[in-house]
Amino acid sequence: DTAVSQTPKYLVTQMGNDKSIKCEQNLGHDTMYWYKQDSKKFLKIMFSYNNKELIINETVPNRFSPKSPDKAHLNLHINSLELGDSAVYFCASSHRLARFFGPGTRLTVL
Amino acid sequence: TQLLEQSPQFLSIQEGENLTVYCNSSSVFSSLQWYRQEPGEGPVLLVTVVTGGEVKKLKRLTFQFGDARKDSSLHITAAQPGDTGLYLCAGPYNQGGKLIFGQGTELSVKP
Repeated sequence: DTAVSQTPKYLVTQMGNDKSIKCEQNLGHDTMYWYKQDSKKFLKIMFSYNNKELIINETVPNRFSPKSPDKAHLNLHINSLELGDSAVYFCASSHRLARFFGPGTRLTVL
Repeated sequence: TQLLEQSPQFLSIQEGENLTVYCNSSSVFSSLQWYRQEPGEGPVLLVTVVTGGEVKKLKRLTFQFGDARKDSSLHITAAQPGDTGLYLCAGPYNQGGKLIFGQGTELSVKP
């Protein structure tokens, strides 16, 4: 059973398009996250939700909008994609300090 | 400013060699974690160290938390190709449940 899953695995799109990445966790955790990993492999927090409520919102352009329909799901919608948005996006959930990551979505903006 | 500095950033060794990866900070952390990320996958938690001076072992991996809780090390004995991956240290930052990561050490173990 997959603990944290996200779709799609790969996303290739043109500049200016709008795209969404979906995430689901079956671990029963209350807190979920979106992280961005750049080309240098640096992993940075973008958003954190606790029981559907936004608790961390880093300095991310407002083109990025997370949505949590329930505590098992946290989706990421990106408007007007730019070249610099190309990265690997990881969804995660947490139990205390431990993070459980999904397999990542590699986004390529052309 | 990088709160957690990892060194080296890249390490390429032969199977059977030993290695140590370092995670340093000028700040005190209540705990530090180590993750391993394999290509095409998400990071996986290896260990959490919480007490200054603590040593934890996971098969051939030995993790140590500095006495002052500002640094940690990961030592791998007799590295194997399956140890290849990106090793990340991470620690809690401020009270908001935020976890910050080091920039990672990319390890390649050649057969």
